[in-house]
Amino acid sequence: DSGVTQTPKHLITATGQRVTLRCSPRSGDLSVYWYQQSLDQGLQFLIQYYNGEERAKGNILERFSAQQFPDLHSELNLSSLELGDSALYFCASSELADSYNEQFFGPGTRLTVL
Amino acid sequence: ELKVEQNPLFLSMQEGKNYTIYCNYSTTSDRLYWYRQDPGKSLESLFVLLSNGAVKQEGRLMASLDTKARLSTLHITAAVHDLSATYFCAGQYSGGGADGLTFGKGTHLIIQP
Repeated sequence: DSGVTQTPKHLITATGQRVTLRCSPRSGDLSVYWYQQSLDQGLQFLIQYYNGEERAKGNILERFSAQQFPDLHSELNLSSLELGDSALYFCASSELADSYNEQFFGPGTRLTVL
Repeated sequence: ELKVEQNPLFLSMQEGKNYTIYCNYSTTSDRLYWYRQDPGKSLESLFVLLSNGAVKQEGRLMASLDTKARLSTLHITAAVHDLSATYFCAGQYSGGGADGLTFGKGTHLIIQP
């Protein structure tokens, strides 16, 4: 158990809908990262937040957005969902902003878009 | 843009044998990570390699980093069935500031009795 928690574990929804994935980092970690794992694209970095501020962006679609709250939990919002958005979404956390520390991954949320 | 290539992508081997997974990356990477993933599970951190020549060992796994060759290896010694999993290497662009990890496609390792 990495200490990173994610909810829900599974999510099934329809195309065009909007969902929110939630992540709580390890105690003391200020940085949160979101990754997408799919058969087509593999593991891709989406976005990073550090202490409430967006820090780095990866291959995140415009339909997706994220935020980090004062209690440091983070949410990833996915809207206008398409079939291709079906994937495993991981949250990871690390202590510092520049990721020099190890990133610890949560259990993931499996999203299925029908 | 950092690109990370692993090979092989699939490896079936017998218990007791030795093998090496290779990870090449395209540009300067400050550090190199190895993760393990079991089917349907999360990623477990195995090694963080921070400098040229770094070598780390944990049980039957040993990882090394050669920044001049832009190559990291994960060596498996006397494989056992419990090591069956998918192994990912990941680099991190050293352009300064924060960035997420860039993963290879993973090596799906099956160890047969």
